[in-house]
Amino acid sequence: EAGVVQSPRYKIIEKKQPVAFWCNPISGHNTLYWYLQNLGQGPELLIRYENEEAVDDSQLPKDRFSAERLKGVDSTLKIQPAELGDSAVYLCASSLSPRNTEAFFGQGTRLTVV
Amino acid sequence: AQSVSQHNHHVILSEAASLELGCNYSYGGTVNLFWYVQYPGQHLQLLLKYFSGDPLVKGIKGFEAEFIKSKFSFNLRKPSVQWSDTAEYFCAVGGSQGNLIFGKGTKLSVKP
Repeated sequence: EAGVVQSPRYKIIEKKQPVAFWCNPISGHNTLYWYLQNLGQGPELLIRYENEEAVDDSQLPKDRFSAERLKGVDSTLKIQPAELGDSAVYLCASSLSPRNTEAFFGQGTRLTVV
Repeated sequence: AQSVSQHNHHVILSEAASLELGCNYSYGGTVNLFWYVQYPGQHLQLLLKYFSGDPLVKGIKGFEAEFIKSKFSFNLRKPSVQWSDTAEYFCAVGGSQGNLIFGKGTKLSVKP
């Protein structure tokens, strides 16, 4: 069974430029998470989807970040414009349901803003 | 708000030493508890989980954890570590609303 797939693995952009990350969750997983992981820190939730609905986006900086999950499968996370402080690893995870199941993580996208 | 505290930022052990990593959470309701591991250059992987039942849970690679409800703790243990256990370990709590909150992680370095 394929795991959670993210692309790209690495991205280097100049500040003020836009950037997008893509995630393909495990087939059949209704719940999808985007996490931000800074160096030396644990993952911090940005947004959680149940199917195509964003049920928790309270931690998403909506002035520059946006996300979508069309058809309740793949998801994209966008930053526009990027700032130096956005340099981090962006993790996607999925689970069968939000409760009583484990989340499976992708490899992450390491973003460097210069 | 829910939170997870991991007491140790960096633990250094020699091979065959015993390991215990602390994890405390703040959440009054029913929780699911997890330990994830991140080996160098790899993605987060589940070590073990607790949903209900026996508070002593066993995971992969000889790891176990004990849920102590009265102490809001879910400490990770291994009787004898190996060099290959060098990794970063994250405790996480899943609440009834479906959110999954992580601690800041503990880096484990095992000297051969």
